[in-house]
Amino acid sequence: DAGVIQSPRHEVTEMGQEVTLRCKPISGHNSLFWYRQTMMRGLELLIYFNNNVPIDDSGMPEDRFSAKMPNASFSTLKIQPSEPRDSAVYFCASSSPVLGAGELFFGEGSRLTVL
Amino acid sequence: DAKTTQPTSMDCAEGRAANLPCNHSTISGNEYVYWYRQIHSQGPQYIIHGLKNNETNEMASLIITEDRKSSTLILPHATLRDTAVYYCIVRVDNYGQNFVFGPGTRLSVLP
Repeated sequence: DAGVIQSPRHEVTEMGQEVTLRCKPISGHNSLFWYRQTMMRGLELLIYFNNNVPIDDSGMPEDRFSAKMPNASFSTLKIQPSEPRDSAVYFCASSSPVLGAGELFFGEGSRLTVL
Repeated sequence: DAKTTQPTSMDCAEGRAANLPCNHSTISGNEYVYWYRQIHSQGPQYIIHGLKNNETNEMASLIITEDRKSSTLILPHATLRDTAVYYCIVRVDNYGQNFVFGPGTRLSVLP
């Protein structure tokens, strides 16, 4: 089975540009999570969805960040405008309390560098 | 906030058992203990979880104390590929509840 697929794997952009990160969860999983990882702050939850509905977005840093899940097989995390402090690895994860123990399956991450 | 405390780092000799402790003294009766690990630059990987009984799978064993205030993850024969950051997380096994990751334990398996 294909795991969680994220794109792009690496993104280098300039401050002020829009960044869109994409995630395809594992088929059949109905919970999707976006995490951000930095050396300073570790692994932080940004937002998670159940059945395509955002449940908790309290971790989203500010209005520059937005996330959508238009259907069960696709989600985006958008940063507009981007800033150097947004540089991090962004992970997407999915889970299914029905198919397993509710454990998270992570993608390989999108490494973002904002110059 | 993470509800667990773990040592910052540990070393283990290759081929020996690695025992990683975790304190979760405020754990509730319906909270599970989950373990994940993150190998450098990869996404975290699920290892094992349990409620109150000891658990074993192909990767590791999980020993939970009777009062459930602490647990130990055991890698029975550590290899160099087990070098990673190991995260202990407590979580109610409810639908869609999120996982809160703390700083974890950096395990170095030495040749």
